[in-house]
Amino acid sequence: GQNIDQPTEMTATEGAIVQINCTYQTSGFNGLFWYQQHAGEAPTFLSYNVLDGLEEKGRFSSFLSRSKGYSYLLLKELQMKDSASYLCAALSGGSYIPTFGRGTSLIVHP
Amino acid sequence: GAGVSQTPSNKVTEKGKYVELRCDPISGHTALYWYRQSLGQGPEFLIYFQGTGAADDSGLPNDRFFAVRPEGSVSTLKIQRTERGDSAVYLCASSELAGGTYEQYFGPGTRLTVT
Repeated sequence: GQNIDQPTEMTATEGAIVQINCTYQTSGFNGLFWYQQHAGEAPTFLSYNVLDGLEEKGRFSSFLSRSKGYSYLLLKELQMKDSASYLCAALSGGSYIPTFGRGTSLIVHP
Repeated sequence: GAGVSQTPSNKVTEKGKYVELRCDPISGHTALYWYRQSLGQGPEFLIYFQGTGAADDSGLPNDRFFAVRPEGSVSTLKIQRTERGDSAVYLCASSELAGGTYEQYFGPGTRLTVT
């Protein structure tokens, strides 16, 4: 089966940088997603990584190491609106169904 | 453009009743997923459609749960003899192409409460 592990909660200060880690164990591997979910709202897509390395998209970057089964989401210049749950989801080889972690609740304070 | 919509947004029902939850995916999207999410948890997979057919229903918890997508667009999740443990937010998502590696667009969810 699949196992996704990410911290339950993190806090950070407005304007700072925060790194949210995710480790995964899958049968084969076909990519890793990050989604953002504000309280009471639908998840929204942030990134998809299938090759090793860092992909930057504005204030958000996502990193993947396939050999280590490890990814992180890096958020720069934090804003209050970045307070949300960040969901890591891994796709097993040959599967169409991503397995979601329980999410990391990020609290940004002034 | 229009995103994924789900109705109703909230549903309160008594234990033992039957409920239907509807999902309208983005027009033209081939793949459609149903998930359910409990408080403090990530979305838990229920069923996946490619077009009209259920390509994977391995996440349905038991035979009280059933879903259809008869014309390859709108989907309905049906729950018979509801139980209090069915209470959760039911999320629908669609993606343009099948294959799993494509971004999923989620609807706002239906909050189901079984009393």
